[in-house]
Amino acid sequence: GAGVSQTPSNKVTEKGKYVELRCDPISGHTALYWYRQSLGQGPEFLIYFQGTGAADDSGLPNDRFFAVRPEGSVSTLKIQRTERGDSAVYLCASSPTGQYQETQYFGPGTRLLVL
Amino acid sequence: AQKITQTQPGMFVQEKEAVTLDCTYDTSDQSYGLFWYKQPSSGEMIFLIYQGSYDEQNATEGRYSLNFQKARKSANLVISASQLGDSAMYFCAIPDSWGKLQFGAGTQVVVTP
Repeated sequence: GAGVSQTPSNKVTEKGKYVELRCDPISGHTALYWYRQSLGQGPEFLIYFQGTGAADDSGLPNDRFFAVRPEGSVSTLKIQRTERGDSAVYLCASSPTGQYQETQYFGPGTRLLVL
Repeated sequence: AQKITQTQPGMFVQEKEAVTLDCTYDTSDQSYGLFWYKQPSSGEMIFLIYQGSYDEQNATEGRYSLNFQKARKSANLVISASQLGDSAMYFCAIPDSWGKLQFGAGTQVVVTP
């Protein structure tokens, strides 16, 4: 079946602009995670959705970052007033129910570059 | 809170040889698991292997095996018979109770002919 997909694959924007990153999880997966990976580092957690609700948003760095999952499938990560420090790869992952022992399947990521 | 440490930033291994990637962890959970992922230069995180703290036998998946030593809080990945396609970054990760993964810094593996 289809894996996790993310669009766009690359996004270049200017400082101060607004961007939206989209994640389409594996069909039927209720758990959806967003991570951010800076160059040379491991991914860092941003936010976790269980169904439509954000169960844990403790990783969002500040209030410029917001994410939604209105119908419990596709999720959008929104970044307002982008800064150069937001440049990174944004990874999305999904798992069947969110139990800790379940494998998370990752999308290919969106490479965001803020000029 | 969980903590993951990967102390080897990079390793070279010759084709067909085995390589061991180190991972130590710290958690206060009684029941937990440990994942290893591979990230080639294309960027996608590929699941390799998982073991739960309650599993008595070390996990194996093809050429990948976990050397899980709970007393030492160590979960090393062994890749046997290395292939050129194994060249990639390798991350170990530990989930919290929500499934949120805490990743290590990763180890870059380069397989040489």
